[in-house]
Amino acid sequence: ETGVTQSPTHLIKTRGQQVTLRCSSQSGHNTVSWYQQALGQGPQFIFQYYREEENGRGNFPPRFSGLQFPNYSSELNVNALELDDSALYLCASSTGLNTGELFFGEGSRLTVL
Amino acid sequence: GIQVEQSPPDLILQEGANSTLRCNFSDSVNNLQWFHQNPWGQLINLFYIPSGTKQNGRLSATTVATERYSLLYISSSQTTDSGVYFCAGDFGNEKLTFGTGTRLTIIP
Repeated sequence: ETGVTQSPTHLIKTRGQQVTLRCSSQSGHNTVSWYQQALGQGPQFIFQYYREEENGRGNFPPRFSGLQFPNYSSELNVNALELDDSALYLCASSTGLNTGELFFGEGSRLTVL
Repeated sequence: GIQVEQSPPDLILQEGANSTLRCNFSDSVNNLQWFHQNPWGQLINLFYIPSGTKQNGRLSATTVATERYSLLYISSSQTTDSGVYFCAGDFGNEKLTFGTGTRLTIIP
């Protein structure tokens, strides 16, 4: 059984640039959620995708957007990067919509200079 | 808004000691998970425990949903247990709300 995988693991961008982070869900899982974890804090919910549709969004501006593909993999896109976007971005997969048990990837650590 | 509070925020123990981590939540929870975040940032699932008690080796967890708290017990601590422990709950809005975390340091 393949776990949740994310890429890239680390990246550095400058303010104003755009970034795309990728996530492959665990085998058999059709729901993907994205979380942002700033240094020293707990993860914060960004949004969730189920069957290629956004299903629930946290308190993040529209410059945070996402996609889910037919194979249930997902992308997180962030436009017009700001310094405060520097964080660990975590992807989680699960089965169905009622959250159930979430399984997380290793994360993508983004640094914005 | 919904609050998930963990205590203590920091805990330093000698190898071999036992510990209890607490998670209090402000609303009814549909499910609750405990995670261990390793030094590389990955959240490792420990327990999926909306209610009741579960055990896995040296670790066990209890959730008393009616009283809105969950406990994580670690016995005979090892240095590899060091890291940050998070509880997180689904409060009916199909997302996990994470607590503030407990940073555990095990000294050899």
